[in-house]
Amino acid sequence: QKEVEQDPGPLSVPEGAIVSLNCTYSNSAFQYFMWYRQYSRKGPELLMYTYSSGNKEDGRFTAQVDKSSKYISLFIRDSQPSDSATYLCAMILTSGTYKYIFGTGTRLKVLA
Amino acid sequence: DAGVTQSPTHLIKTRGQQVTLRCSPKSGHDTVSWYQQALGQGPQFIFQYYEEEERQRGNFPDRFSGHQFPNYSSELNVNALLLGDSALYLCASSLGSRANYGYTFGSGTRLTVV
Repeated sequence: QKEVEQDPGPLSVPEGAIVSLNCTYSNSAFQYFMWYRQYSRKGPELLMYTYSSGNKEDGRFTAQVDKSSKYISLFIRDSQPSDSATYLCAMILTSGTYKYIFGTGTRLKVLA
Repeated sequence: DAGVTQSPTHLIKTRGQQVTLRCSPKSGHDTVSWYQQALGQGPQFIFQYYEEEERQRGNFPDRFSGHQFPNYSSELNVNALLLGDSALYLCASSLGSRANYGYTFGSGTRLTVV
């Protein structure tokens, strides 16, 4: 079993839709949780980070962490064609051996 | 403010050859981590350099080696290239060896081994 699981998609939605992207993980010791956006032929770009459980909002983006369910989500409101990209979740284990693990990424296409 | 710069952007090598990839971290960052990203996969951690030393290493063979220079720039060397080494190689920089608040990534070097 992979430490971090992410549905690869692709996910196609109409412009203006609310998008929900998710990752599950197996190690309850993960403490920092991040979402990166990666456009084709580019490196990942940090979108959001959260520490432990809770919600964090930044403009049209909301990151949610539920440590009891080992589940993290990224919501995109009023999605735009420019949001079309691959979204990678990442999480960090800081106790014991430091680990920085990425999910496989979900490919999102927002249709105009 | 320059972000992370990587060179070259693309590279084609023959199986068995050796390759060197280069990275300059974002201004103000002192730590460089290297990742390999195969097509359709998430980045896989290769190793991290901080204070000119390899601090952590992922599950990659000794054919993968690196170096960090006093100006914080870094090189990734891969010897005896295999077809399976074809991937996007990403350099990520951070301030300090624990990137708890995220990395800044470069655009990567796309390596094709034929």
